[in-house]
Amino acid sequence: EAQVTQNPRYLITVTGKKLTVTCSQNMNHEYMSWYRQDPGLGLRQIYYSMNVEVTDKGDVPEGYKVSRKEKRNFPLILESPSPNQTSLYFCASSLDLYSYEQYFGPGTRLTVT
Amino acid sequence: DAKTTQPPSMDCAEGRAANLPCNHSTISGNEYVYWYRQIHSQGPQYIIHGLKNNETNEMASLIITEDRKSSTLILPHATLRDTAVYYCIVINYNFNKFYFGSGTKLNVKP
Repeated sequence: EAQVTQNPRYLITVTGKKLTVTCSQNMNHEYMSWYRQDPGLGLRQIYYSMNVEVTDKGDVPEGYKVSRKEKRNFPLILESPSPNQTSLYFCASSLDLYSYEQYFGPGTRLTVT
Repeated sequence: DAKTTQPPSMDCAEGRAANLPCNHSTISGNEYVYWYRQIHSQGPQYIIHGLKNNETNEMASLIITEDRKSSTLILPHATLRDTAVYYCIVINYNFNKFYFGSGTKLNVKP
């Protein structure tokens, strides 16, 4: 089954404790992206990747890192999480940037205390 | 990139057509209009997209005005399962980015 998976689905952590949210897709997609969703603000793009080893900032990249060492994986790294990074995070992928459909993962709900 | 403006919420009776408007008055000639929806807190789902012609698929129809400054997503026979937040997005492929905005919460009522 074609899908985007994220882990963990739920995470409660403390300020400053490094964490990684994994994202994996099994569709051989080139384009991958991370979004965060906050009440009243819709989805905002954090980082995106056009292909392996090609990443760039979205609208709200501060406090986040990403890597794209393999085509299928696009982990989101919070080196020193802060409470303002409490949010619902989505990973998405598409065949390439020009494909009309992005496939979204199920989301990761992160709470930073 | 052009930004979009949508009403925060709309109601629709089950079985009736739902018409969701979107303003994108600063859209440029090479920017596409996309619609996604998000049910509860699930990942968004693609619905339809267009450049300047009206489009129809099995889920919905997209009507884009001639000046391209606004569009309307039409769900021809809304069901309770269509209750969701609908996002109108304008995409410029030159910038590689997606702006989802706040969307419209569509409430389909029995």
